[in-house]
Amino acid sequence: QLQLQESGPGLVKPSETLSLTCAVSGGSLTTTNYYWGWIRQPPGKGLEWIGSISYTGSTYYNPSLKSRVTISVDTSQNQFSLNLTSVTAADKSIYYCARMWLKRPKEYFFDYWGLGTLVTVSS
Amino acid sequence: SYELTQPSSVSVSPGQTASMSCSGARLGNKYASWYRQKPGQSPVLVIYQDNKRPSGIPERFSGSNSGNTATLTISETQALDEGDYYCQAWDGSTGVVFGGGTKLTVL
Repeated sequence: QLQLQESGPGLVKPSETLSLTCAVSGGSLTTTNYYWGWIRQPPGKGLEWIGSISYTGSTYYNPSLKSRVTISVDTSQNQFSLNLTSVTAADKSIYYCARMWLKRPKEYFFDYWGLGTLVTVSS
Repeated sequence: SYELTQPSSVSVSPGQTASMSCSGARLGNKYASWYRQKPGQSPVLVIYQDNKRPSGIPERFSGSNSGNTATLTISETQALDEGDYYCQAWDGSTGVVFGGGTKLTVL
């Protein structure tokens, strides 16, 4: 059974960089037709996609966050990571990692999700 | 940017059929997926590619998508079906898009 586990600091200072890692177990990052994504959810609000990456490093980013986001992959460790720069209070959210099926032109959905990790932005 | 609109809430009596909509420009030309999220839990995929169910999702869950509207239908609704339901699609300019979510209450 595929499992995803987010890890990283639960508290980040304003203007600093939020860094999270998602460890994948029970399956390989290198599986064809899958990308690996980050989604966030402010407390009590809806889901917002941040971006997704393939095991080759090909990325898609949410245009509204693209200037601050970098997603990277480490196939040797079977994990992928998120960096979000210049954080503000508005970035306080539960951050989820998830596996995304991707088959062009229009098959895109998330079939496995991590449990999520709450990140607060405060000095 | 592409947007998906969902009603904020839907109520249904136990055993009845619940339907919830997801609207977006030419959504019928894309594939819609649906997720259920219970309080304190991660989202769970319940419908993908408009009307396909992942393993473990009951046949009571079905989906359709045409024109500008995708619909999730839950027949014989049970209390355990309560939660927030999000639709999702892919747009070539925006990427992954989620609707704002619909809270399903089984009264």
